[in-house]
Amino acid sequence: KAGVTQTPRYLIKTRGQQVTLSCSPISGHRSVSWYQQTPGQGLQFLFEYFSETQRNKGNFPGRFSGRQFSNSRSEMNVSTLELGDSALYLCASSLGHSGGYEQYFGPGTRLTVT
Amino acid sequence: AQKITQTQPGMFVQEKEAVTLDCTYDTSDPSYGLFWYKQPSSGEMIFLIYQGSYDQQNATEGRYSLNFQKARKSANLVISASQLGDSAMYFCAMTHSGAGSYQLTFGKGTKLSVIP
Repeated sequence: KAGVTQTPRYLIKTRGQQVTLSCSPISGHRSVSWYQQTPGQGLQFLFEYFSETQRNKGNFPGRFSGRQFSNSRSEMNVSTLELGDSALYLCASSLGHSGGYEQYFGPGTRLTVT
Repeated sequence: AQKITQTQPGMFVQEKEAVTLDCTYDTSDPSYGLFWYKQPSSGEMIFLIYQGSYDQQNATEGRYSLNFQKARKSANLVISASQLGDSAMYFCAMTHSGAGSYQLTFGKGTKLSVIP
């Protein structure tokens, strides 16, 4: 069974630009969560999508948004990039229901904002 | 609010020895799950082991076992027979499904270094 895939793996953007990251979950998984990892703040939850609906959202500004498609693939978008958005962005997939708590992560997208 | 505390920023262990990584948690939810993840320098988070709050027995997965002490709110990871490839960051995390969401709350992590 294929694992979680994330594209692109590396990205360099300039302040003020916007970026879109993609995540394809494990086949059959309907929940996709996004996390931001920085040396200072550690791992922080961004949002979770289940069956195309945002089920939960972390404490991030509105510049961070996401969506999920009918095939469970998810995208997250960051508009008006700031230097502090430089981070490793990880997505995780899980069944999302019926006790399927295990979350499996993708390799991450390393975003650098200059 | 949920909180995970990992008090060991870094640890060293001799190859082939066992090591325990500490994790304590705080939650008011009766139903929750506890996880351990390994993150090598490549960045990918690798799922190691899961323990549900209602599970009576400690979880085990190969060389990994989770020492779950519910009354003390601790969920320590034990790695037996350490290998050089075990050198990585280790994160303890928890989730609760009470709100219908599978959000993970992570600790700060412990950097494990295995010495040959």
